[in-house]
Amino acid sequence: AQSVSQHNHHVILSEAASLELGCNYSYGGTVNLFWYVQYPGQHLQLLLKYFSGDPLVKGIKGFEAEFIKSKFSFNLRKPSVQWSDTAEYFCAVREGNTGGFKTIFGAGTRLFVKA
Amino acid sequence: EPEVTQTPSHQVTQMGQEVILRCVPISNHLYFYWYRQILGQKVEFLVSFYNNEISEKSEIFDDQFSVERPDGSNFTLKIRSTKLEDSAMYFCASRARVRINQPQHFGDGTRLSIL
Repeated sequence: AQSVSQHNHHVILSEAASLELGCNYSYGGTVNLFWYVQYPGQHLQLLLKYFSGDPLVKGIKGFEAEFIKSKFSFNLRKPSVQWSDTAEYFCAVREGNTGGFKTIFGAGTRLFVKA
Repeated sequence: EPEVTQTPSHQVTQMGQEVILRCVPISNHLYFYWYRQILGQKVEFLVSFYNNEISEKSEIFDDQFSVERPDGSNFTLKIRSTKLEDSAMYFCASRARVRINQPQHFGDGTRLSIL
């Protein structure tokens, strides 16, 4: 069965620090990859997605992620974080050929940015 | 931009009672989903629904759960006899299938508290 692993449960950074959140998945077939963000008290929002093409994808708010097929990874990056980036970040994988296209989520990484 | 809406935002129910969580997906979307997030845990897939039937469900989605699209606009999740461990945030999502590379759009969630 497919699974999604996020390496860090909690990350604490100072403003302007660089961010990289790790994500690995276990599925050998075609996948669609996502990062979602959940700000405190709010719903899940799509940050960025990868379906095909350029493995470096850019999302909203200065975030980007790189798909490395050989490593089954889809790490999220941001060069300089802001206090407003404090949130929980979820990596998610969807099997490209599944009829219902259910999405499997990682456990999440809680990011706290110190002002 | 159209949104997925969920009602109520917070539902408090006595253990053993039935509860119905309501969702209005985006109007031209064809695939519908329910997920849940127990406090402090990851988002978990419950069920996907297409063409008026369940297309996939997880092991969490047992006989106590059911879904329905009663009137062409609402998509409901019913829990027949709630248990304490059903306390969670429940997210509805919908997806268009005009093109295969469409992400799911999530609602704000319903916080279900079982007493």
